[in-house]
Amino acid sequence: SQQGEEDPQALSIQEGENATMNCSYKTSINNLQWYRQNSGRGLVHLILIRSNEREKHSGRLRVTLDTSKKSSSLLITASRAADTASYFCATDSQGGSEKLVFGKGTKLTVNP
Amino acid sequence: EAGVAQSPRYKIIEKRQSVAFWCNPISGHATLYWYQQILGQGPKLLIQFQNNGVVDDSQLPKDRFSAERLKGVDSTLKIQPAKLEDSAVYLCASSLDREQFHYEQYFGPGTRLTVT
Repeated sequence: SQQGEEDPQALSIQEGENATMNCSYKTSINNLQWYRQNSGRGLVHLILIRSNEREKHSGRLRVTLDTSKKSSSLLITASRAADTASYFCATDSQGGSEKLVFGKGTKLTVNP
Repeated sequence: EAGVAQSPRYKIIEKRQSVAFWCNPISGHATLYWYQQILGQGPKLLIQFQNNGVVDDSQLPKDRFSAERLKGVDSTLKIQPAKLEDSAVYLCASSLDREQFHYEQYFGPGTRLTVT
C-alpha cells in the first residue's frame, strides 16, 4: 500500500522558475526521503529529513517536514531543464518492519 | 565508487516462462532491496536482506517469486512462472547498514521485464 502521496501528479514550469512538490503520509515516521528518477533510469537519493527536523537544505533543494500535518514539501529553486524527472517521497515508518514506502511521484517538466 | 549493478537491462519472455535477475550491490553495503515498479507508480518493496538474512518479504508473491543473497553480497530474484501482470521494472538497491541508521538507498538502473 502507498504511504506517501505526492501532489501534484504532474507539474510543468519554465526554466528559472521554482518548483514545489508536496507529500502527505499516514503513519508516524522515522524519516522521510526524496528521490529523483529520470526517464528510464534508476532512482537517485536527493535528501533525507528526520522526524525531529523541520527544514533541510541541499544546494537548490529545500525540504520541509510538518509531522503534525504528516506532510512534507520539496522546493527546487531556479529550475533547469536537467531537473526534468519524476520525484518520489518515501517514508520510513516507525514500528512494524520499518520498510521504505514510496508514493506515486510527481512528474516535473522544466521547459527551456 | 562503483554503483549498484544489475543484469540484464531488458528481458522479454512469454507468460509461464521463468526469468532471473541479478544484482551486485555497492561494496560493503549490508542491506539489499528488491523493488517492483509498475509503469506510472512508485517502487514497491518485494524483499529486503540484511547481510544474507531476510528482513522483510511480506509483499513478495512467494508462490512464484523467490530471492536469495549468497554470502551476503550478490543477489538473484527469480520469477517462475511469469504472469502478464509481472511486467514492470525490477530495481535493486543497497544501503550501507540500516541497523546503524544509514537509511539512504542507492539504486541500480533496473531490469525492464515484459511478459507477453
